[in-house]
Amino acid sequence: ETGVTQTPRHLVMGMTNKKSLKCEQHLGHNAMYWYKQSAKKPLELMFVYNFKEQTENNSVPSRFSPECPNSSHLFLHLHTLQPEDSALYLCASSQVGVAGLTGELFFGEGSRLTVL
Amino acid sequence: GESVGLHLPTLSVQEGDNSIINCAYSNSASDYFIWYKQESGKGPQFIIDIRSNMDKRQGQRVTVLLNKTVKHLSLQIAATQPGDSAVYFCAENTEYGNKLVFGAGTILRVKS
Repeated sequence: ETGVTQTPRHLVMGMTNKKSLKCEQHLGHNAMYWYKQSAKKPLELMFVYNFKEQTENNSVPSRFSPECPNSSHLFLHLHTLQPEDSALYLCASSQVGVAGLTGELFFGEGSRLTVL
Repeated sequence: GESVGLHLPTLSVQEGDNSIINCAYSNSASDYFIWYKQESGKGPQFIIDIRSNMDKRQGQRVTVLLNKTVKHLSLQIAATQPGDSAVYFCAENTEYGNKLVFGAGTILRVKS
């Protein structure tokens, strides 16, 4: 138990579906992240939120739409995805100070997405 | 730009031996480094971290070494156990940065 909970753990969707991934952190952190993990690729940073404000969008296609209503919750809304978007989507949280990260990122177990 | 890379994609060791996993980084501005372990079906788990004002840090059975001159990071695992089998990632953070950039990962296989 890392203190970061992701749901659903597994999701299968068609290319025309709309679905959402949810992440909740119970650690009191002020930053949250979405990473994508595909086979044979490093973890790719998608989005960063600091105090609910998006501070980074790593050239992610608009079919992925993040939402951060408060410092504890993060969503990733999915619409008209492609089969190549199938991957493990990892959420993480951390505490960020004036000089940057004060410690490690804590990861959830991930949401395994399959796009048919 | 930022990049973190690993020399060996797969490392096989005998149970009880020591393991060394290496990582090269290219961003000289990086000042915080972390090793993560990822088991099948799980998210990455923190193992140990080190800041650039240190060159060595020890944990329980693990040691991280940082050589800033050649921009090299290594993770040493003493008396490797079957439960250590996993993918290991190094990650880096730059000063004032709020994110981690990850390397490709090394698979560690422990033979009994």
